[in-house]
Amino acid sequence: AQKVTQAQTEISVVEKEDVTLDCVYETRDTTYYLFWYKQPPSGELVFLIRRNSFDEQNEISGRYSWNFQKSTSSFNFTITASQVVDSAVYFCALSENNAGNMLTFGGGTRLMVKP
Amino acid sequence: KAGVTQTPRYLIKTRGQQVTLSCSPISGHRSVSWYQQTPGQGLQFLFEYFSETQRNKGNFPGRFSGRQFSNSRSEMNVSTLELGDSALYLCASSFTGATRNEQFFGPGTRLTVL
Repeated sequence: AQKVTQAQTEISVVEKEDVTLDCVYETRDTTYYLFWYKQPPSGELVFLIRRNSFDEQNEISGRYSWNFQKSTSSFNFTITASQVVDSAVYFCALSENNAGNMLTFGGGTRLMVKP
Repeated sequence: KAGVTQTPRYLIKTRGQQVTLSCSPISGHRSVSWYQQTPGQGLQFLFEYFSETQRNKGNFPGRFSGRQFSNSRSEMNVSTLELGDSALYLCASSFTGATRNEQFFGPGTRLTVL
Protein backbone atom coordinates (compact mmCIF):
# COMPACT_ATOMS: atom_id res chain seq x y z
CA ALA A 1 0.00 0.00 0.00
CA GLN A 2 1.13 3.52 -0.64
CA LYS A 3 2.33 5.80 2.14
CA VAL A 4 3.69 9.33 2.41
CA THR A 5 5.70 10.55 5.38
CA GLN A 6 6.46 14.13 6.26
CA ALA A 7 8.61 13.83 9.34
CA GLN A 8 8.68 17.55 10.10
CA THR A 9 5.38 18.49 11.68
CA GLU A 10 6.32 22.12 12.27
CA ILE A 11 9.12 24.39 11.11
CA SER A 12 9.74 27.96 12.17
CA VAL A 13 12.11 30.24 10.27
CA VAL A 14 12.85 33.92 10.07
CA GLU A 15 12.02 35.77 6.87
CA LYS A 16 14.63 35.43 4.11
CA GLU A 17 15.92 32.11 5.40
CA ASP A 18 15.88 29.11 3.10
CA VAL A 19 13.81 26.14 4.25
CA THR A 20 13.46 22.56 3.01
CA LEU A 21 10.39 20.44 3.61
CA ASP A 22 11.02 16.72 3.48
CA CYS A 23 8.78 14.09 1.91
CA VAL A 24 9.40 10.34 1.77
CA TYR A 25 7.02 8.00 -0.01
CA GLU A 26 6.36 4.29 -0.39
CA THR A 27 4.72 2.57 -3.32
CA ARG A 28 4.99 -0.71 -5.16
CA ASP A 29 3.95 0.84 -8.47
CA THR A 30 6.58 1.75 -11.01
CA THR A 31 4.38 4.51 -12.41
CA TYR A 32 3.15 7.07 -9.95
CA TYR A 33 2.76 10.80 -9.44
CA LEU A 34 3.94 13.02 -6.64
CA PHE A 35 2.39 16.34 -5.66
CA TRP A 36 2.90 19.23 -3.31
CA TYR A 37 -0.03 21.30 -2.07
CA LYS A 38 -0.12 24.42 0.10
CA GLN A 39 -2.93 24.98 2.59
CA PRO A 40 -3.16 28.56 3.86
CA PRO A 41 -5.34 29.40 6.88
CA SER A 42 -8.36 29.76 4.59
CA GLY A 43 -8.32 25.97 4.20
CA GLU A 44 -8.28 25.59 0.44
CA LEU A 45 -5.53 23.34 -0.91
CA VAL A 46 -3.46 25.06 -3.56
CA PHE A 47 -1.63 22.93 -6.13
CA LEU A 48 2.11 23.63 -6.38
CA ILE A 49 3.66 20.90 -8.47
CA ARG A 50 3.15 17.45 -9.99
CA ARG A 51 5.98 15.11 -10.91
CA ASN A 52 5.71 11.67 -12.51
CA SER A 53 7.94 8.78 -11.53
CA PHE A 54 9.87 8.83 -14.79
CA ASP A 55 10.93 12.44 -14.53
CA GLU A 56 13.67 12.93 -11.99
CA GLN A 57 14.65 16.37 -13.16
CA ASN A 58 14.69 18.94 -10.44
CA GLU A 59 12.35 21.84 -10.98
CA ILE A 60 12.59 25.48 -10.04
CA SER A 61 9.74 27.94 -10.06
CA GLY A 62 10.69 31.31 -8.71
CA ARG A 63 11.64 30.87 -5.06
CA TYR A 64 10.37 27.29 -5.04
CA SER A 65 12.39 24.25 -6.04
CA TRP A 66 11.80 20.53 -5.84
CA ASN A 67 14.28 17.68 -5.60
CA PHE A 68 12.99 14.24 -6.65
CA GLN A 69 15.23 11.26 -5.90
CA LYS A 70 13.84 7.80 -6.67
CA SER A 71 16.85 6.13 -5.08
CA THR A 72 15.81 7.45 -1.69
CA SER A 73 12.05 7.70 -2.44
CA SER A 74 12.09 11.35 -1.57
CA PHE A 75 10.51 14.45 -3.06
CA ASN A 76 11.74 17.43 -1.09
CA PHE A 77 10.57 21.02 -1.44
CA THR A 78 12.77 24.06 -0.84
CA ILE A 79 11.66 27.64 -0.43
CA THR A 80 14.45 30.13 -0.98
CA ALA A 81 14.39 33.48 0.80
CA SER A 82 11.18 32.66 2.66
CA GLN A 83 8.51 35.31 3.12
CA VAL A 84 5.75 35.72 5.70
CA VAL A 85 3.19 34.87 2.99
CA ASP A 86 4.76 31.41 2.74
CA SER A 87 3.35 30.57 6.18
CA ALA A 88 0.98 27.66 5.65
CA VAL A 89 0.69 23.92 5.95
CA TYR A 90 2.36 22.07 3.10
CA PHE A 91 1.29 18.61 2.02
CA CYS A 92 3.11 16.07 -0.07
CA ALA A 93 0.88 13.53 -1.84
CA LEU A 94 1.18 10.41 -3.96
CA SER A 95 -1.10 8.96 -6.61
CA GLU A 96 -0.53 5.57 -8.18
CA ASN A 97 -1.11 5.16 -11.88
CA ASN A 98 -4.27 3.10 -11.77
CA ALA A 99 -5.80 4.81 -8.77
CA GLY A 100 -7.67 7.48 -10.69
CA ASN A 101 -7.50 10.73 -8.81
CA MET A 102 -7.03 9.18 -5.36
CA LEU A 103 -4.33 11.04 -3.49
CA THR A 104 -2.53 9.69 -0.44
CA PHE A 105 -1.36 12.62 1.62
CA GLY A 106 1.44 12.97 4.12
CA GLY A 107 0.67 14.42 7.51
CA GLY A 108 1.69 17.90 6.46
CA THR A 109 4.36 20.34 7.63
CA ARG A 110 3.30 23.60 9.21
CA LEU A 111 5.70 26.34 8.15
CA MET A 112 5.81 29.55 10.14
CA VAL A 113 7.82 32.38 8.69
CA LYS A 114 8.44 35.17 11.17
CA PRO A 115 9.22 38.73 10.10
CA LYS B 1 -13.47 30.54 -14.78
CA ALA B 2 -15.14 29.92 -11.43
CA GLY B 3 -13.35 27.58 -9.06
CA VAL B 4 -14.69 24.62 -7.14
CA THR B 5 -17.52 25.65 -4.87
CA GLN B 6 -18.75 23.85 -1.81
CA THR B 7 -21.91 24.46 0.16
CA PRO B 8 -22.52 25.02 2.92
CA ARG B 9 -19.22 26.35 4.23
CA TYR B 10 -20.08 25.65 7.86
CA LEU B 11 -22.48 23.21 9.41
CA ILE B 12 -23.37 22.23 12.96
CA LYS B 13 -25.24 19.00 13.57
CA THR B 14 -25.94 16.73 16.52
CA ARG B 15 -25.10 13.08 16.92
CA GLY B 16 -27.43 10.74 15.09
CA GLN B 17 -28.47 13.26 12.47
CA GLN B 18 -27.54 13.03 8.82
CA VAL B 19 -25.95 15.64 6.61
CA THR B 20 -25.56 16.32 2.89
CA LEU B 21 -22.68 18.34 1.50
CA SER B 22 -22.56 19.70 -2.03
CA CYS B 23 -19.70 20.27 -4.46
CA SER B 24 -19.84 22.04 -7.82
CA PRO B 25 -16.72 21.34 -9.89
CA ILE B 26 -15.05 23.67 -12.31
CA SER B 27 -17.00 23.91 -15.54
CA GLY B 28 -16.02 21.08 -17.87
CA HIS B 29 -14.50 18.92 -15.15
CA ARG B 30 -15.95 15.45 -14.90
CA SER B 31 -14.12 13.99 -11.93
CA VAL B 32 -14.96 14.89 -8.35
CA SER B 33 -13.14 13.53 -5.31
CA TRP B 34 -13.92 13.97 -1.64
CA TYR B 35 -11.50 14.11 1.27
CA GLN B 36 -11.91 14.31 5.03
CA GLN B 37 -9.40 16.37 7.02
CA THR B 38 -9.10 15.98 10.79
CA PRO B 39 -6.30 16.94 13.20
CA GLY B 40 -5.82 13.30 14.19
CA GLN B 41 -6.06 11.46 10.88
CA GLY B 42 -4.99 14.18 8.49
CA LEU B 43 -6.27 14.21 4.93
CA GLN B 44 -8.01 11.00 3.94
CA PHE B 45 -9.60 10.04 0.64
CA LEU B 46 -13.30 9.30 0.81
CA PHE B 47 -14.34 8.56 -2.77
CA GLU B 48 -14.09 9.67 -6.37
CA TYR B 49 -16.81 10.01 -8.97
CA PHE B 50 -16.28 10.21 -12.69
CA SER B 51 -19.15 10.52 -15.15
CA GLU B 52 -21.67 9.66 -12.44
CA THR B 53 -19.86 6.44 -11.45
CA GLN B 54 -17.93 5.85 -8.27
CA ARG B 55 -14.41 4.89 -9.33
CA ASN B 56 -12.61 4.62 -6.04
CA LYS B 57 -13.57 4.43 -2.41
CA GLY B 58 -11.47 5.00 0.67
CA ASN B 59 -11.60 3.12 3.92
CA PHE B 60 -14.67 4.69 5.47
CA PRO B 61 -17.82 3.06 6.89
CA GLY B 62 -20.97 2.73 4.83
CA ARG B 63 -22.45 5.76 6.62
CA PHE B 64 -20.45 7.82 4.15
CA SER B 65 -21.92 7.82 0.68
CA GLY B 66 -21.92 10.02 -2.35
CA ARG B 67 -23.25 10.53 -5.80
CA GLN B 68 -22.63 12.56 -8.90
CA PHE B 69 -25.19 14.12 -11.18
CA SER B 70 -25.16 14.45 -14.95
CA ASN B 71 -23.87 18.03 -14.67
CA SER B 72 -20.89 16.67 -12.63
CA ARG B 73 -22.07 18.26 -9.40
CA SER B 74 -21.55 15.91 -6.50
CA GLU B 75 -23.04 15.39 -3.08
CA MET B 76 -21.80 13.40 -0.15
CA ASN B 77 -24.00 12.18 2.64
CA VAL B 78 -23.12 11.11 6.14
CA SER B 79 -25.82 9.31 8.07
CA THR B 80 -26.04 8.71 11.81
CA LEU B 81 -23.43 11.32 12.60
CA GLU B 82 -20.81 10.60 15.25
CA LEU B 83 -18.62 13.06 17.14
CA GLY B 84 -15.62 11.79 15.19
CA ASP B 85 -17.18 12.94 11.93
CA SER B 86 -16.36 16.53 12.86
CA ALA B 87 -13.93 17.56 10.15
CA LEU B 88 -13.19 19.74 7.17
CA TYR B 89 -14.59 18.03 4.08
CA LEU B 90 -12.78 18.98 0.91
CA CYS B 91 -13.91 18.42 -2.62
CA ALA B 92 -11.57 18.38 -5.62
CA SER B 93 -12.34 18.42 -9.31
CA SER B 94 -10.32 17.35 -12.30
CA PHE B 95 -10.88 17.49 -16.05
CA THR B 96 -10.67 13.73 -16.42
CA GLY B 97 -10.10 10.78 -14.17
CA ALA B 98 -6.50 10.37 -15.24
CA THR B 99 -3.97 10.40 -12.44
CA ARG B 100 -1.71 12.85 -14.20
CA ASN B 101 -4.27 15.64 -14.14
CA GLU B 102 -4.13 18.43 -11.66
CA GLN B 103 -6.88 18.48 -9.09
CA PHE B 104 -8.42 21.75 -7.96
CA PHE B 105 -9.72 21.90 -4.43
CA GLY B 106 -12.66 23.82 -3.05
CA PRO B 107 -12.65 25.81 0.20
CA GLY B 108 -14.22 22.95 2.14
CA THR B 109 -17.21 22.46 4.38
CA ARG B 110 -16.44 22.51 8.09
CA LEU B 111 -18.78 20.10 9.85
CA THR B 112 -19.11 20.17 13.62
CA VAL B 113 -20.99 17.35 15.32
CA LEU B 114 -22.18 18.07 18.86
